Amino acid sequence: RKEVEQDPGPFNVPEGATVAFNCTYSNSASQSFFWYRQDCRKEPKLLMSVYSSGNEDGRFTAQLNRASQYISLLIRDSKLSDSATYLCVVRSGGSYIPTFGRGTSLIVHP
Amino acid sequence: DTGVSQNPRHKITKRGQNVTFRCDPISEHNRLYWYRQTLGQGPEFLTYFQNEAQLEKSRLLSDRFSAERPKGSFSTLEIQRTEQGDSAMYLCASSPRVGGVGNEQFFGPGTRLTVL
Repeated sequence: RKEVEQDPGPFNVPEGATVAFNCTYSNSASQSFFWYRQDCRKEPKLLMSVYSSGNEDGRFTAQLNRASQYISLLIRDSKLSDSATYLCVVRSGGSYIPTFGRGTSLIVHP
Repeated sequence: DTGVSQNPRHKITKRGQNVTFRCDPISEHNRLYWYRQTLGQGPEFLTYFQNEAQLEKSRLLSDRFSAERPKGSFSTLEIQRTEQGDSAMYLCASSPRVGGVGNEQFFGPGTRLTVL
């Protein structure tokens, strides 16, 4: 089993739709969780951190489920500009190594 | 521009040649990471520096790969005797010393390596 797994998609949704991605991780000692966004041929950029209590930033909501070892990203009222690859990042306690998932591709169409 | 910079942006080389890439992090960031990214995959961690100390290098892909950060500022990644399988995007990221290791990383634009 891979350390961090994501459905590569693509998720193809119309503007205005709500879409959710999950990311599962295998190491129960994982402590830090993030969602990054990567546009085509660009570098990744932090979208949001994922806290135990969840995190909301405008149309974006991230949740952590430690019991089932996954994090989720919910995007409400999708915009064309949300089209990108969304990377899940997990780091285990005591480790310097952030592990990225392969990313989930989102395509928002008119 | 005060972001992370990487040079060169593109490198084409012949198999067997050595290549060196440079990363200049955001000036006040003491943490620096190198990653490799291939098509359809997320960034793959290679190595990590805190100031000039290389604290994690177990994930360097082989002994042909090495990295330095001699004065705790810029860093270089060298690949010796390149192979076609080394073709990829090499990303550098830096982060500030705030709140532990699990904090935001700022990525540079990457160096795209093509080995012929």
